[in-house]
Amino acid sequence: EIVLTQSPATLSVSPGETATLSCRASQSINTNLGWYQQKPGQAPRLLFHAASARATGIPARFSGSGSGTEFTLTISSLKSEDFAMYYCQQYHNWPPYTFGQGTKLVVK
Amino acid sequence: VQLVESGGGLVKPGGSLRLSCAASGFTFTDYNINWVRQTPGKGLEWVSSISSSSSYIFYADSVKGRFTISRDNAKKSVFLQMNRLRADDTAFYYCARAINGDVFDVWGQGTMVTVSS
Repeated sequence: EIVLTQSPATLSVSPGETATLSCRASQSINTNLGWYQQKPGQAPRLLFHAASARATGIPARFSGSGSGTEFTLTISSLKSEDFAMYYCQQYHNWPPYTFGQGTKLVVK
Repeated sequence: VQLVESGGGLVKPGGSLRLSCAASGFTFTDYNINWVRQTPGKGLEWVSSISSSSSYIFYADSVKGRFTISRDNAKKSVFLQMNRLRADDTAFYYCARAINGDVFDVWGQGTMVTVSS
């Protein structure tokens, strides 16, 4: 089973600044990685597939990068609606699909 | 494009529950459907997948032998039969679609399952 480790667990950033979230895989997953955003009381929403391909309707201030075992989600010019939980997910080797434990992005 | 779950509720340990996921707004037979659960305050755990024609079915080890996934393409619905439920099955259950083995691009709003005596 591929383990995904997200860091940090909690990230405190001011509105207007840039947030950088990391996801590390226990073995190479090429670019078979997705990122999701989840707000309280809501289902997860897909942000990226293939590590860097933005999903429909996702603003350009969100960017994804990485390959192999190291991945990054960057959110620039943070807006109030961006403060949420973020999860990465691998689909390189499944079953099982696996998710990282999440990073909570909070207002500084 | 929508997925709507139903069937959650309170059940005693050892009991059973059947969840449903109703799809609309897209070609249902183009997609695999997955169940993902989330313990309150915790992360996401994939539970089960069923391919578009039901040819391929997979389960997480934690539910294998207790849960059964199925689909009815004519009714555009997927079901999760959960037997021998345990307290650690308590979670919010989401259904989500995927093209083949790709990411989950559409999710339902979820249904809560509570296993408690």
